[in-house]
Amino acid sequence: EPEVTQTPSHQVTQMGQEVILRCVPISNHLYFYWYRQILGQKVEFLVSFYNNEISEKSEIFDDQFSVERPDGSNFTLKIRSTKLEDSAMYFCASSPLDTQYFGPGTRLTVL
Amino acid sequence: KQEVTQIPAALSVPEGENLVLNCSFTDSAIYNLQWFRQDPGKGLTSLLLIQSSQREQTSGRLNASLDKSSGRSTLYIAASQPGDSATYLCAVRAGNNRKLIWGLGTSLAVNP
Repeated sequence: EPEVTQTPSHQVTQMGQEVILRCVPISNHLYFYWYRQILGQKVEFLVSFYNNEISEKSEIFDDQFSVERPDGSNFTLKIRSTKLEDSAMYFCASSPLDTQYFGPGTRLTVL
Repeated sequence: KQEVTQIPAALSVPEGENLVLNCSFTDSAIYNLQWFRQDPGKGLTSLLLIQSSQREQTSGRLNASLDKSSGRSTLYIAASQPGDSATYLCAVRAGNNRKLIWGLGTSLAVNP
């Protein structure tokens, strides 16, 4: 059964550094998403992407964040200058229409 | 602003018991509701999706119901097994946008 995959599974970075989190959505899915979950808190929506552009973004998704679908299969989330509060589990998801299917997540630790 | 609440926060039951997990949302104008399972340190596995026009959905031992007017959904797990131990999350999609708004989850422990 097709799955959403994410790499790396764990990323440790220094505050102020740039990180790129990578995702391979399920092929033939049309919609792509990034969410994050800070330890002990609710999952939070970051951004949705459709037809090669952002369709919606949350207040969290400020100028430090960007998304890209560089080659028709990968979907990336870039954080330009990481902050301590960016430490979280980042989940990528894709959907053909309604049901969203999630990857295993990338645990980002900012020191 | 849509808020999603899940009660109880934690639940421990003996194996074989039938159980109900609750999810409530403040704005009844939802498009659909999705139930997920999260194992410790792992991703989010979709269990069931209920459209706003539906009353319930079933998958194996799982049955999810939706009462949009009262802002409630329940996830019924029949004949629970230790392998059902996980955190169960509900998430609602509101209106035309596709973002999911999440509850904090119910942590379920099924004891052999």
